Amino acid sequence: LAKTTHPISMDSYEGQEVNITCSHNNIATNDYITWYQQFPSQGPRFIIQGYKTKVTNEVASLFIPADRKSSTLSLPRVSLSDTAVYYCLVGDDSNAGNMLTFGGGTRLMVKP
Amino acid sequence: GAGVSQTPSNKVTEKGKYVELRCDPISGHTALYWYRQSLGQGPEFLIYFQGTGAADDSGLPNDRFFAVRPEGSVSTLKIQRTERGDSAVYLCASSLMQGAYNEQFFGPGTRLTVL
Repeated sequence: LAKTTHPISMDSYEGQEVNITCSHNNIATNDYITWYQQFPSQGPRFIIQGYKTKVTNEVASLFIPADRKSSTLSLPRVSLSDTAVYYCLVGDDSNAGNMLTFGGGTRLMVKP
Repeated sequence: GAGVSQTPSNKVTEKGKYVELRCDPISGHTALYWYRQSLGQGPEFLIYFQGTGAADDSGLPNDRFFAVRPEGSVSTLKIQRTERGDSAVYLCASSLMQGAYNEQFFGPGTRLTVL
C-alpha cells in the first residue's frame, strides 16, 4: 500500500478556506485517493474520492496533480463544526484486500 | 434513513470478563467491517464479512476475539477474557458493495473500558 504523509494538525479560523495536503509518492496506477472525516465521539465519514484532476462535491474539493504523488483536500469557508480529524487513504481493492488502512490523520481545529 | 447502529454505546467491564458488542448495519448492505480505534489513532481493521461469512479476519489480534454474522445482517463482536489493552472504541461499518474502497458507512462506535 502507498504510504501517506500529512500534517499532524492544523489551525484555522471560521470563514477561511482550508487546504490539507497529503503526500503519497508511491501511489500505484490503480489506486484511488479517498478522504474520511471524523468528528469527536463519532465514526469516520466518507467525504470525497478521486483518481486524477479535480473532484468537487457539496462538502469539499479534491485536487490531484498529474503525477498523483500528492492530493489536496480543500474545505471552503470552514465553520466551527468542521473541527475534526481528516484521513487521507490511498489504495484500491486489488492491493488493499478488504480493509481500509487509516493513518493518524490531520487534526483540524477551527477557531472563532 | 437509518444509519449503522451499535450497542451498547459504552461498556465497562472487569479484566477477564466476556463481552459482546453488537452492530446493526444499513439494511441491504452486504459488506460489514469491524475496526478498533485507540485514543489519538486512526481506526485499525479487525474483520470483514461479505454476507454471512467472515471473508477476512486477518486483523483480529488473537483468538480471544471472534465475530459472527449468522443471517447476513446484524453482527456481534465477541471478546473473551478481556484485558486492559482491549480498551478502545470498536467501530462497525457497512457498505453496499464489496470492496474496502467503496464508501463505508460507520456507526458511532462502542467505547469499551476494561478495568
